[in-house]
Amino acid sequence: QSALTQPASVSGSPGQSITISCTGTSSDVGGYNYVSWYQQHPGKAPKLMIYDVSNRPSGVSNRFSGSKSGNTASLTISGLQAEDEADYYCSSYTSSSRVFGGGTKLTVL
Amino acid sequence: EVQLVESGGGLIQPGGSLRLSCAASGFTVSSNYMSWVRQAPGKGLEWVSVIYSGGSTYYADSVKGRFTISRDNSKNTLYLQMNSLRAEDTAVYYCARLGIAGQLVVWGQGTLVTVSS
Repeated sequence: QSALTQPASVSGSPGQSITISCTGTSSDVGGYNYVSWYQQHPGKAPKLMIYDVSNRPSGVSNRFSGSKSGNTASLTISGLQAEDEADYYCSSYTSSSRVFGGGTKLTVL
Repeated sequence: EVQLVESGGGLIQPGGSLRLSCAASGFTVSSNYMSWVRQAPGKGLEWVSVIYSGGSTYYADSVKGRFTISRDNSKNTLYLQMNSLRAEDTAVYYCARLGIAGQLVVWGQGTLVTVSS
């Protein structure tokens, strides 16, 4: 149950787009289309932003999008806004359990 | 309104036991997949356990044999029994309801467990 690999930090200016990668193996990210992404603001519970690789729950801005290629999933945030500054975590299904990435801190400059 | 409220956290000595509760409203716990996820101070999220609607349970290797996930249908409540606690179990523990694809759709506010002498 090794953690998925995410960059520790990314940054961007308001209005720009950023992409956060999430690398796993064929036993998790590459083996299933069950990748999800969570946003967490300081002191708050995580919030689901993307599920099944690229689906957005109701109420989540269409500025958030997800994709996957091989063993790497990606979260793209377009039109960056100040309120997007948060920690982002990917997660994948893997043989009856789940695994998270180490998290990426997004800074909006 | 769909809501999850955790309780039961606190300060406990190494080797001790604690039971966390997660009271659900707005949906039926027994009809859903439910999980516990934890977050050590300043660290990332770690999946702990899941219980499926059929009753099957699964655990992270780090807690297997020490933690037990269960539910009380009459109280619409999820539990996490934690035994043989270690310092590395110190974390905020969140309960969550899963969607069909296993995504964590609804989260509680979390309860802090501190294992220290």
